[in-house]
Amino acid sequence: DAGVTQSPTHLIKTRGQQVTLRCSPISGHKSVSWYQQVLGQGPQFIFQYYEKEERGRGNFPDRFSARQFPNYSSELNVNALLLGDSALYLCASSGTGTGVIQPQHFGDGTRLSIL
Amino acid sequence: GQQVMQIPQYQHVQEGEDFTTYCNSSTTLSNIQWYKQRPGGHPVFLIQLVKSGEVKKQKRLTFQFGEAKKNSSLHITATQTTDVGTYFCAEAGGKLIFGQGTELSVKP
Repeated sequence: DAGVTQSPTHLIKTRGQQVTLRCSPISGHKSVSWYQQVLGQGPQFIFQYYEKEERGRGNFPDRFSARQFPNYSSELNVNALLLGDSALYLCASSGTGTGVIQPQHFGDGTRLSIL
Repeated sequence: GQQVMQIPQYQHVQEGEDFTTYCNSSTTLSNIQWYKQRPGGHPVFLIQLVKSGEVKKQKRLTFQFGEAKKNSSLHITATQTTDVGTYFCAEAGGKLIFGQGTELSVKP
């Protein structure tokens, strides 16, 4: 079975640009979460979506937005990119959004570099 | 907000030596999940602990959840080069709150 897939794998942008990152969860998983991982640190939670609804939002500015589609895939958008947005962006899926706590299954991530 | 502190930040061991990483919180944790991230890879789920004082083993790995549910540890016995990576603890709810991770390097 395919795991969580993310695209693109690498991306280079300049300050002020906008970027869209994509994620396809494991088949059957309805919950998708996004994390930002800066080099040398643990992943930081950005968003969680379950059944196309936002279920949680981390401490990130409004420049960050996301959505989930009927097929449970998801997009993360970041506007007005800053140098500090350079990071590995991880998508994770799980079988449920609330209630029973399940493991998160991570994709390989998108490495975003801002010049 | 909720913070999970993890120590040490780095650990260098000789192959065959033991390794332990510790995870601490100032508040009671509802649960703890442990993940391993290989260099250049993504976090991979290892285990979940929920009950006070819980101990779980996976081959050479032993995971513990403190009696007060404010700390947890991961102990690896007789490390191997395949154990190299960064080990993260995380409190799991609707989101994961990760510790800073402990980077393990193993010298053959």
